[in-house]
Amino acid sequence: SAVISQKPSRDICQRGTSLTIQCQVDSQVTMMFWYRQQPGQSLTLIATANQGSEATYESGFVIDKFPISRPNLTFSTLTVSNMSPEDSSIYLCSARTAVYEQYFGPGTRLTVT
Amino acid sequence: GQQLNQSPQSMFIQEGEDVSMNCTSSSIFNTWLWYKQDPGEGPVLLIALYKAGELTSNGRLTAQFGITRKDSFLNISASIPSDVGIYFCAGPGNTGKLIFGQGTTLQVKP
Repeated sequence: SAVISQKPSRDICQRGTSLTIQCQVDSQVTMMFWYRQQPGQSLTLIATANQGSEATYESGFVIDKFPISRPNLTFSTLTVSNMSPEDSSIYLCSARTAVYEQYFGPGTRLTVT
Repeated sequence: GQQLNQSPQSMFIQEGEDVSMNCTSSSIFNTWLWYKQDPGEGPVLLIALYKAGELTSNGRLTAQFGITRKDSFLNISASIPSDVGIYFCAGPGNTGKLIFGQGTTLQVKP
């Protein structure tokens, strides 16, 4: 298993600003992911964070809006850039440890005003 | 694209009752995962299934990997108030990335 922490846990941001979310895993993992979730809804994959190379984005998500870093096997950041109210959501970090077992952080609750 | 359909969408039960929910797909999955998400928290992995027909328990929870490999079931016995939350099934799609069902919301009346 893996224990994942995220910072900040929640934030209220102004339109047009950017927020960087940090994700720390307690062990080295090969794959890390970033998801978005609206309250009461399922999870939507934003991108796969690749160590040492550019992240792989899903359809509808672009690097300019959601730049991702992954400097090592235990840490990743997601930046939500030039925010608008539509970006208000829960952002979840996830790590895969074995086969397809994936673990999630507690989430970052973002409100954009 | 590949989809996972969960049913029921929501359940409201009395404490002590048993609960059954399922997850179906039109395509074959080689792994099934069941998660629970408490309000304000991230999803927590409950059970992972890797073989068709496999039956795995975790306390009062039991999950089964359907023989057709197109479905999975989760049962909760003798429900308690802390079972409240959203239960998600998930499985790796053709790209290897997890696909999630839309979730089953469980409410338990004390």
